[in-house]
Amino acid sequence: HVQLQESGPGLVKPSETLSLICIVSGDSISSDFWNWIRQPPGKGLEWIGYIHYSGSTNYNPSLKSRVTISVDTSKNQFSLRLRSVTAADTAVYYCARDTGHGGGYSFQDWGQGTPVTVSS
Amino acid sequence: QSALTQPASVSGSPGQSITISCTGTSSDVGGYNYVSWYQQHPGKAPKLMIYDVTSRPSGISNRFSGSKSGNTASLTISGLQAEDEADYYCSSYTSSTTRVFGTGTKVTVL
Repeated sequence: HVQLQESGPGLVKPSETLSLICIVSGDSISSDFWNWIRQPPGKGLEWIGYIHYSGSTNYNPSLKSRVTISVDTSKNQFSLRLRSVTAADTAVYYCARDTGHGGGYSFQDWGQGTPVTVSS
Repeated sequence: QSALTQPASVSGSPGQSITISCTGTSSDVGGYNYVSWYQQHPGKAPKLMIYDVTSRPSGISNRFSGSKSGNTASLTISGLQAEDEADYYCSSYTSSTTRVFGTGTKVTVL
């Protein structure tokens, strides 16, 4: 059974870069789609983007200019970088796996989430 | 891309059935049978309840069922129980191969 665990700073200053990693255990990252999803306090879920194990990426158009998702197969982990953050980027950030067509492009496995606050 | 539209809240008494709608466009919900539903209790990560519009993952109660008509998908919870009180989100694959979530629905068990 795959497990995902997010890690990274809980506090980021405005205009700086938010960096998180998601460590995958129990299965190889060399398959499927690996996603980042966030949830601002008291609000709904927002899909940020994914990286496919092949290295291809796709991002939410509203965040595309500021987001980079990368993968490190040797460490079985993938990362999120969000540049030029503002208070609007304050949220709980989740990493999640979807198995593509076979799983209906649904998010089958989730990390516990990590809260990130943007504040000076 | 715009978020899929869900009602803000739905309520029902124990034992009753409720239905949550999820309305998108022909570029997402209406164009593909890749709609999924998630349950989220306060302070917890979302949990997959339905995928491929109607399929249930292993371990999910058959009280949860999904359907779709045109650009609107629906989640029905039958035999409502206190433990079903949570937020529910739909999600869909899109024509840009991105993913999009619904606005979320708070289910209250009266």
